[in-house]
Formats: sequence, C-alpha cells, structure tokens
Amino acid sequence: NAGVMQNPRHLVRRRGQEARLRCSPMKGHSHVYWYRQLPEEGLKFMVYLQKENIIDESGMPKERFSAEFPKEGPSILRIQQVVRGDSAAYFCASSRGLAGLSGANVLTFGAGSRLTVL
Amino acid sequence: DQQVKQNSPSLSVQEGRISILNCDYTNSMFDYFLWYKKYPAEGPTFLISISSIKDKNEDGRFTVFLNKSAKHLSLHIVPSQPGDSAVYFCAAQEGYGGSQGNLIFGKGTKLSVKP
Repeated sequence: NAGVMQNPRHLVRRRGQEARLRCSPMKGHSHVYWYRQLPEEGLKFMVYLQKENIIDESGMPKERFSAEFPKEGPSILRIQQVVRGDSAAYFCASSRGLAGLSGANVLTFGAGSRLTVL
Repeated sequence: DQQVKQNSPSLSVQEGRISILNCDYTNSMFDYFLWYKKYPAEGPTFLISISSIKDKNEDGRFTVFLNKSAKHLSLHIVPSQPGDSAVYFCAAQEGYGGSQGNLIFGKGTKLSVKP
C-alpha cells in the first residue's frame, strides 16, 4: 500500500503532555501538508513542508506547535504542553508539488490521527 | 473571513435522484477548485477538480459547474447512490504565486442518500 500513512490513529494525552504525530507521504511524493479538523469544522491548513524545509507555516499556532520533515523518516507534527483545545483530528496529505504542474495540486490524505486531551 | 463557504451543513436525497452540493468563495485569485469526499474515520478522498478558466468538468456521475462571476460552484451527482452518503468538502487552491498549492476547505456538507 503506497498511500499516506499516519500514526498513531488515536492518541490520548493529559494536559501538559506532548503529542507527536507521524506521517509518511505517498510513494513518489515529496511535499507534505498538515491540516487540523476541529469538531463540526472544515479542515484548516497548518503547515506545508518539503524534505528538510518548512515552506509555509502560516496556519500553525505560534506557540507549542512545530513540524519537521527530515531527510530520512516521516514528517512529524509535535504539540508541546497540550491543552483541551488541541483535541482534534490531524490529517496529513502529500503531493508531488507544483513544479511543472499544469493542473490542480491534488493532495492525497491519510486517515488522520485523532488526538484527545483529557 | 471564511474564503470558502458551504452554507448547507446537510442534504438528504432519494436514491436515483440528483444531489446538488453548493460552494461559494470570496477570493478571485483561486486557480483551481476541488471536491473531496470523506467517510467517518477516514481521510478525505479526491473526487473531481475544475480550473478557474473552465465552467464545467464531468467525470462519470460527478459534474462540477463553476460560475466565476458569481464566485459559486456546485457538484452534481446523478444518479445518487446510498454509497455516496458522506461529507463533501469544497476546496480552493491559489496558483503558483499564492499559497504554494495548499488547499482552503469549506466546512463540508453531509449528504445522505436514502434507498
């Protein structure tokens, strides 16, 4: 299966703990996007990364949240000192990117990681 | 503030009839519009897209119409099937000079197709 893989699927943390969510992009894709879906809301863009580079983090909260996409291994979204308001589904998506693209930049999504903060 | 709006949270349709899902947007710089379908506990899956220079794109039972002057697009599903029951998200993408290709999503419309 060469789809976008996210883990863990479910994560429970207590307030103040750290949450780490991992994402392996689809084979052949070098661009990774993280989105967050709060209850009854749409998907909100958080960050866009290529290997070893953050391209756009305009949707990322300024504090406690960070993301990386190292040369080797999956992309990681890290939330420090979690609060109840961080409870959400976090979706990762990947694409080949825009370079040389003549059509829409279709993102392929993973199944998501559901974070619950107690 | 919301650049992509789906004003109907839900829609119920009889099997075999047409489903019409609507989407409005505010940013005239969007180059592409995409529709995604999402089942519970799964990630969104891509359905169909349309370029801002087109007014219609068709793929099997799915057709997307774009009215650029009204900043409105719609997804038509005909005939609707029970397996189409899902949440449908409208998404918009700015071009090369914009947001690097990331998508801006509406809140979604939950479609229920009744047998």
